[in-house]
Amino acid sequence: QVQLVQSGAEVRKPGASVKVSCKASGYTFTSVALHWVRQAPGQSLEWMGWINGGNGDTKMSQKFRGRVTITRDSSASTAYLEVSSLTFEDTAVYYCARNVEWAFPILDYWGQGTLVTVSS
Amino acid sequence: DIVMTQSPDSLAVSLGERATINCKSSRSVLSSSNNMNYLAWYQQRPGQPPKLLLYWASTRESGVPERFSGSGSGTDFTLTISSLQAEDVAVYYCQQYYSTPLLFGPGTKVHIK
Repeated sequence: QVQLVQSGAEVRKPGASVKVSCKASGYTFTSVALHWVRQAPGQSLEWMGWINGGNGDTKMSQKFRGRVTITRDSSASTAYLEVSSLTFEDTAVYYCARNVEWAFPILDYWGQGTLVTVSS
Repeated sequence: DIVMTQSPDSLAVSLGERATINCKSSRSVLSSSNNMNYLAWYQQRPGQPPKLLLYWASTRESGVPERFSGSGSGTDFTLTISSLQAEDVAVYYCQQYYSTPLLFGPGTKVHIK
C-alpha cells in the first residue's frame, strides 16, 4: 500500500533553515510527482510546489520561489523540502502528498505531516 | 491565480440529515479541451492529514462512501453528504487544479447539531 512517512517535528529560530523529508513506499517513486502543502494553525491548505519523481523537475508557487527548495533522492524514494530565512509566519504543519498516477495535479495520498515551529 | 471561496464557514447538521457545502472559483475551471471541471474535494478530520474525496468535480475516489457526491460546473460547485454520519465531522476543502498555483478554498467545518 502507498505510504508517505515524514520526518519529525522541528523547532527553529527566526532566520534559520529547516529541511523536511518524505519517504515514499508502495509505488514506483519515479513515476509520479510529489507535492508539498502547508497548513498554518487554524488555517487552510497552502500549496508550495511539486517535484517530478523521475527527472527532478520542480514547479514552485511564486510566493515561495527563492526561499524554498524541493529536491529528491530517487534511490531512496525520498523527497525533501527546505525552507530558508524562516519567520514566525512559517510556523505550520508541512505535508507531502502524492500526485495521482495519471498526471493531473490531484493529491491522492498524504504524509502524516511535520510540525515546524519558528520560535525565538 | 484562480481563487477559491466556500460557504458556509461552518455547518451544524443532525445525524442522518443532508449537508451541503458550496465552492466558487474566481474563474472557470471547466476545460474546453475535454469538458471536465478541474475541481477536487478533500476531507480533513481533526488531527489528520487531508483525504481525497472527489475529483473532476463529481468522481468519487476509490473507497469513498456513496453518501458523498459532487456537482456543479464552471465556477460553482457543491459537495453533498446525503446522510451525515458521526465520522463525517471534519473540515472540507475544495481545490482547483486547472492552473498553478493550486489553490484551496478556506474550508467548511461540519459538525453535529
